[in-house]
Amino acid sequence: NAGVIQTPRHKVTGKGQEATLWCEPISGHSAVFWYRQTIVQGLEFLTYFRNQAPIDDSGMPKERFSAQMPNQSHSTLKIQSTQPQDSAVYLCASSLLDRGEAEQFFGPGTRLTVL
Amino acid sequence: QQKVQQSPESLSVPEGGMASLNCTSSDRNFQYFWWYRQHSGEGPKALMSIFSDGDKKEGRFTAHLNKASLHVSLHIRDSQPSDSALYFCAAGHNTNTGKLTFGDGTVLTVKP
Repeated sequence: NAGVIQTPRHKVTGKGQEATLWCEPISGHSAVFWYRQTIVQGLEFLTYFRNQAPIDDSGMPKERFSAQMPNQSHSTLKIQSTQPQDSAVYLCASSLLDRGEAEQFFGPGTRLTVL
Repeated sequence: QQKVQQSPESLSVPEGGMASLNCTSSDRNFQYFWWYRQHSGEGPKALMSIFSDGDKKEGRFTAHLNKASLHVSLHIRDSQPSDSALYFCAAGHNTNTGKLTFGDGTVLTVKP
C-alpha cells in the first residue's frame, strides 16, 4: 500500500498561469478530501468527494478554484489564474468511509509557489 | 473566528517527560475530535480519535474529552525526540460525515 499519492510534490507557476494538482487516493477508500496549509491560515478544508460525487465545497474560493474526481483512482484540484496568495501546501486525504470515526490518511502534499 | 483553538502554540519538554496539549471549541455542534501529528515535510498522520466523555488511552498517548466544556486534551507520557512535531486537534460536527475543522496546531519539541 503506497498510501495517498500526490503529484507533483513541488510546482512553481507564474502569476496568472494555471496549476493542476493530482491526487491518487488509497484503493478502496470512498472519501477524498482536499486541504490547504499555510503558515498564516493553518490547515483549511477546501472540498471533498464521496464515491466520486462532490459533497461539500464550502472551503473552496468560488473563483478560480475547481476540483474533480473523474474516477475512483484520482482527483484533481485546478487553480486558474494563480495569484501569489495561492502559494501553499495542498494536501489530499482519503478515508475508507465518509464517517467521523474513519481515519483520514494524508498524502505528502504539493507545495505550490506562485511567483 | 477560529472554531477550534489550540494551546499552547509551542511546547518544549525533556525526553521522558509528559507533554500536555489542549484544544477548545467555540462550536457546540462539534460531536467528535481527532488528534493528528505532522512531521516536517510530511502530511498529517492520525494519532487517535475521541467521541465520548472521559479518557481514551492508546500506548503512550491519552486523550481526554469534556463535552460540556468542549475541551479536549492530549497527554503524551515518556516523550521521545521522535514525538517532536506539529500536533493538530480536529473536530467534526456529525459522525455521518468525515469533514473536519482543524486547529492551528501546537509545535512540540522534545529535547534529548
